[in-house]
Parts: sequence; C-alpha cells; structure tokens
Amino acid sequence: EAGVAQSPRYKIIEKRQSVAFWCNPISGHATLYWYQQILGQGPKLLIQFQNNGVVDDSQLPKDRFSAERLKGVDSTLKIQPAKLEDSAVYLCASRVTGPGNTIYFGEGSWLTVV
Amino acid sequence: AQSVTQLDSQVPVFEEAPVELRCNYSSSVSVYLFWYVQYPNQGLQLLLKYLSGSTLVKGINGFEAEFNKSQTSFHLRKPSVHISDTAEYFCAVGSSRLTFGEGTQLTVNP
Repeated sequence: EAGVAQSPRYKIIEKRQSVAFWCNPISGHATLYWYQQILGQGPKLLIQFQNNGVVDDSQLPKDRFSAERLKGVDSTLKIQPAKLEDSAVYLCASRVTGPGNTIYFGEGSWLTVV
Repeated sequence: AQSVTQLDSQVPVFEEAPVELRCNYSSSVSVYLFWYVQYPNQGLQLLLKYLSGSTLVKGINGFEAEFNKSQTSFHLRKPSVHISDTAEYFCAVGSSRLTFGEGTQLTVNP
C-alpha cells in the first residue's frame, strides 16, 4: 500500500517569497492533516480536513498560510509571504476517519527561509 | 484541552541495555495515547497505541508501553536496545487529532 506522498522534499526560499507544498494521502483516507515541526520540537497541528471541508484551522496563521483540499483527495499548503520563523518541516498525514485510528505521516517537506 | 510532557529531552544508553522514555499526559476527554518514532530525515512512524483494555501495550521493534491512569503516564520501554533504535521518539495524545510532546532523542552507543 502506498504511503502519504509529499513534494517537494526540500525547498529554500528568501523571506517574503511564496512556497507551496503538495500532499497525496493514502487512498481512502478521508481525514488529512498538515503539521508544522520546527527543529527540536514536536509536530504542531496547522489544519485538519475531513474530505474537502476544514474541521480545525485554529492554529493556522491565516494572514500568511492557506490550505485547500479540492475534491477531497490531494491537498496544497501555501505560505505567502514567508518569514524566517516559517523554517520547519511540514508534515502531511492522513487516516481513516474514526476515534483512535492510526494517523500515517508522509516524509515531510523541509522548508528553509533565508 | 490536552497536553503531553516528555520528561527527558535526551537519553543516551549503551547497546543491549534497557531503556525507558517517560511521558505524562493531560486530557479532559477519553484518552488515546500513542508513541511515534522519527528517524533522521523521515516522517513519523507509529510504534504503538493505547485505546482501551490491557494497560500494557506491545508495539513494533520490541517496544512496549504501560498506561497508568492514576499517574497519567504512558512510559515507553525496551528491555534491550540496538544501535538502530537511535532516533527521536514522540508521545502523543488525542482522538481525531494528536497533540505531541517535544520529543526524546534516544542515542544508543556501542
């Protein structure tokens, strides 16, 4: 079974530029997450989708971050304009909807803002 | 509200020694607890999870964890570690979404 796919794996941009990350979840997984993991810290939830609807985006910095999940499958996370503190790994994850079901993570997209 | 505290940021051990990684949690709703492992430059992989039932949970790679409701703990253990167990370990709590601790770096030395 294919895992969660993410691209690009690595990205270096200058501050104030924009960047977009793409995620393809495991087939059949209705729930999709984006987490931000700053170096030396645990992952922090940015946004949770159920199919193509947003369940929780309370921790998403909406002045610069946006995310969408058109057609309830692939998702895109965009940052515009980027700040130095956005340097982090952006992890996409998915799961079959249901309490306690395992959340599967992709390998992450590493962003460095210079 | 829910939160996780991992009590040790770094744990160095020698190969074949036992190890315990400590995790305390706080949750106002039903508790589902997880341990994930992250190898360098990779995503997170589930080691084990506690949903209900037996408080001793066995996972992959010889790891196990014990849920202790009175002490609000979910410590991870392995009786004999290998060099390949060197990684970052994350404890997490939640149901539909997970709240992670800050991680424990386990370093196994020869």
